[in-house]
Amino acid sequence: QVQLQESGPGLVKPSETLSLTCAVSGYSFSSGYYWGWIRQTPGKGLEWIGSIYHSGNTYYNPSLKRRVTISLDTSKNQFSLKLNSVTAADAALYYCARVGNLVVGPFFDHWGQGTLVTVSS
Amino acid sequence: QSVLTQPPSVSAPPGQKVTISCAGSSSNIGNNYVSWYQHLPGTAPKLLIYENNKRPSGIPDRFSGSKSGTSATLGITGLQTGDEADYYCGTWDTSLSAGVFGGGTKLTVL
Repeated sequence: QVQLQESGPGLVKPSETLSLTCAVSGYSFSSGYYWGWIRQTPGKGLEWIGSIYHSGNTYYNPSLKRRVTISLDTSKNQFSLKLNSVTAADAALYYCARVGNLVVGPFFDHWGQGTLVTVSS
Repeated sequence: QSVLTQPPSVSAPPGQKVTISCAGSSSNIGNNYVSWYQHLPGTAPKLLIYENNKRPSGIPDRFSGSKSGTSATLGITGLQTGDEADYYCGTWDTSLSAGVFGGGTKLTVL
């Protein structure tokens, strides 16, 4: 069964880079699907951050595109998120997920448990 | 402000039926598949419906999805207290080239 697990620092200083990794087990990247990051800010709903295909092709949320990089490490079966120049507005619960049908109506069928990121000096 | 519009809250008694609407436009719902998620506090969101009306394995048929034009609807029958959660719709917005979600609807089973 597909399982995802986020990891990374829970505290990031303003203006620095948020870095998270999602380890995937039970599924090989080379078999297809997109993989993505979603966040939920306190008291608000879900926000799609971006997604990456096993080929390395990426799509990013236009509102975050200048600051976001999602990359894949197939040898380790994991993918990563980097968000530059963070502010308090980036404090959120960050989820990684497997994504089907990305550009025709994505569905996120397997999720990590989420990791809380706080932005503070 | 979310691209997709959902009612902030809905409620119904146990055993009854409730529907949750998700309104969009031709650049998102009108031309792409819709998915629905159940989100309980402290847990990861769970996929309930994909491709407008399909249920993943393990999701009971009490949950159903439909789409008409630029709107989609999630239906839940036989309400249980365990169904109390936040529900989100999602799709792709072709104009934005981005995945988009609704603002979420809090379901209360009275």
